[in-house]
Amino acid sequence: NAGVTQTPKFQVLKTGQSMTLQCAQDMNHEYMSWYRQDPGMGLRLIHYSVGAGITDQGEVPNGYNVSRSTTEDFPLRLLSAAPSQTSVYFCASSPPGRTQETQYFGPGTRLLVL
Amino acid sequence: SQQGEEDPQALSIQEGENATMNCSYKTSINNLQWYRQNSGRGLVHLILIRSNEREKHSGRLRVTLDTSKKSSSLLITASRAADTASYFCATITGANSKLTFGKGITLSVRP
Repeated sequence: NAGVTQTPKFQVLKTGQSMTLQCAQDMNHEYMSWYRQDPGMGLRLIHYSVGAGITDQGEVPNGYNVSRSTTEDFPLRLLSAAPSQTSVYFCASSPPGRTQETQYFGPGTRLLVL
Repeated sequence: SQQGEEDPQALSIQEGENATMNCSYKTSINNLQWYRQNSGRGLVHLILIRSNEREKHSGRLRVTLDTSKKSSSLLITASRAADTASYFCATITGANSKLTFGKGITLSVRP
């Protein structure tokens, strides 16, 4: 299994541009989530999904959209990037029945918004 | 909002020494988890302790939980240079499945 994969690894955007951060997992996990990590702030939850077709907001959802059309994929969309969205983004997933016990993280996407 | 707060923020020790990291939280929890993050990488789950447990071991890791003090400690025994990383505590509260992370502890193990 490849686990949780994220693309791209690095991205530079200009203010106002849009982009999609890709996240995929091949472990048949129902629960998937997106976090952002900023210096001195730890990880903060952006959006999460408990299964295909179901998404919900986390702690910092503004400026981000998600969808979950398949179990495997959970893309994160920035519709109009802002410098405040410069961060490292992590996708994570959890096995069925163990959502509260462990999360498997992808390697992250470093985003710089100029 | 931050649920877990780790202490200290940074820790530097010599290889072979033990490393103790603490986490305090504000509200009642279902469980508390510790994760490790190597530089430039994603987080890796280390160990979970449930609210009705007081101590758990996994290899060189020992975690304790004191629900009366709302605190947990992670002990890494006989540390190695490869243990150099950031360590995060994370809690699950209530019926939801959302992990809330602390800001992390930077551990440096000198060879």
